[in-house]
Amino acid sequence: QLLLQESGPGLVEPSETLSLTCTVSGDSIGSASYYWGWVRQPPGEGLEWIGGTSSSGYTEYNPSLKSRVTISVDTSKNQFSLRLNSVTAADTAVYYCARGEGYFGPWGQGTLVTVSS
Amino acid sequence: QLVLTQSPSASASLGASVKLTCTLSGGHSSYAIAWHQQLPEKGPRYLMKVNSDGSHSKGDGIPDRFSGSSSGSERYLTISSLQSTDEADYYCQTWGSGIVVFGGGAKVTVL
Repeated sequence: QLLLQESGPGLVEPSETLSLTCTVSGDSIGSASYYWGWVRQPPGEGLEWIGGTSSSGYTEYNPSLKSRVTISVDTSKNQFSLRLNSVTAADTAVYYCARGEGYFGPWGQGTLVTVSS
Repeated sequence: QLVLTQSPSASASLGASVKLTCTLSGGHSSYAIAWHQQLPEKGPRYLMKVNSDGSHSKGDGIPDRFSGSSSGSERYLTISSLQSTDEADYYCQTWGSGIVVFGGGAKVTVL
């Protein structure tokens, strides 16, 4: 069974960089041509695609976030990561990682990141 | 521009059926979409992929009560024999040309 687990700080100060890691278990992240993505959900709102990476490191980003986002993959650790810089309160959200093959699934359980001083 | 439009809410009685609609923006009627369920205070769960011809493929363990269909630019999710545990938010999602898009979500209430 493929499992994904997000990890990282739950509190980030404004203007700083948000960093999260998704650890994949149950299969090798490089075993097939999947896409590994990040999605966020502000409190009380809907889902927003952030971006994703292939196991070879090819990335795609939401144009609205592209200038602040970096997604990378580490196949030796079976992990992929998200960095979002210059954060503001508007970046407060639950952040999910997920495997993609066009559609997303399975999903991680999500981690709440609050941007506040 | 690739956009998905969902009505924000739907309701039906226990044991009845409810049909959710997800509409693709103009020029994208051939796109497949996926449906995801989000129970209260939980993360999303992949339900199924629905193709433009109406065929669909469900995720592991998804009950037969959940089915998908298509007509033109509309993609549907039908939940039959509605149970209280089906009360959740349902999101459609599509992808193409380097982007991924979610609909705004639909809240299903079981009366």
